[in-house]
Amino acid sequence: DAGVTQSPTHLIKTRGQQVTLRCSPKSGHDTVSWYQQALGQGPQFIFQYYEEEERQRGNFPDRFSGHQFPNYSSELNVNALLLGDSALYLCASSAGGGDYGYTFGSGTRLTVV
Amino acid sequence: AQKVTQAQTEISVVEKEDVTLDCVYETRDTTYYLFWYKQPPSGELVFLIRRNSFDEQNEISGRYSWNFQKSTSSFNFTITASQVVDSAVYFCALDMNSGYSTLTFGKGTMLLVSP
Repeated sequence: DAGVTQSPTHLIKTRGQQVTLRCSPKSGHDTVSWYQQALGQGPQFIFQYYEEEERQRGNFPDRFSGHQFPNYSSELNVNALLLGDSALYLCASSAGGGDYGYTFGSGTRLTVV
Repeated sequence: AQKVTQAQTEISVVEKEDVTLDCVYETRDTTYYLFWYKQPPSGELVFLIRRNSFDEQNEISGRYSWNFQKSTSSFNFTITASQVVDSAVYFCALDMNSGYSTLTFGKGTMLLVSP
């Protein structure tokens, strides 16, 4: 049973560019959350998708947007990249609205130069 | 607003020593969940335990034990007889019972266990 799959594993982008990160949730999970983890910090909640809609959002600018597809997979898009966007981006999936059985992926390491 | 504080940035121990990782949280809600996660160098967060705010019983799982004290808003994690494989970053996290299941993490404690 595959867990959460994220792609790509590593990515290098230039300031001002746009990036798309992808996440496939664990089988049976329908909710996807995205977290940003800067070096030496704990993960910070970006947003959560459920039933193809953004259900809750953390304190991140509109440059961060997302999407959830009918198969529950999700994308995180970041526009106008800044050096400060360099981080590990983690995807977590869970089942149902209030279920707390999070499964995390290994993340995408984004470096902005 | 909720907050999780892990005051210990890094802890170094020698194998077989016991080690306790501290976690203090802040919340105004009476219902919430507390978690501990382990993050090895591979990056993924590995779930260790979840505890709800109504259950203050301590828990032991093998070499791991957790001490939840609501009176001091603490949820400490102890590893008994540490092993080199325990080396990782450990995160404490808080989840409000809002139905939206979003986690607020501490900054993490890096544990280095040397042979």
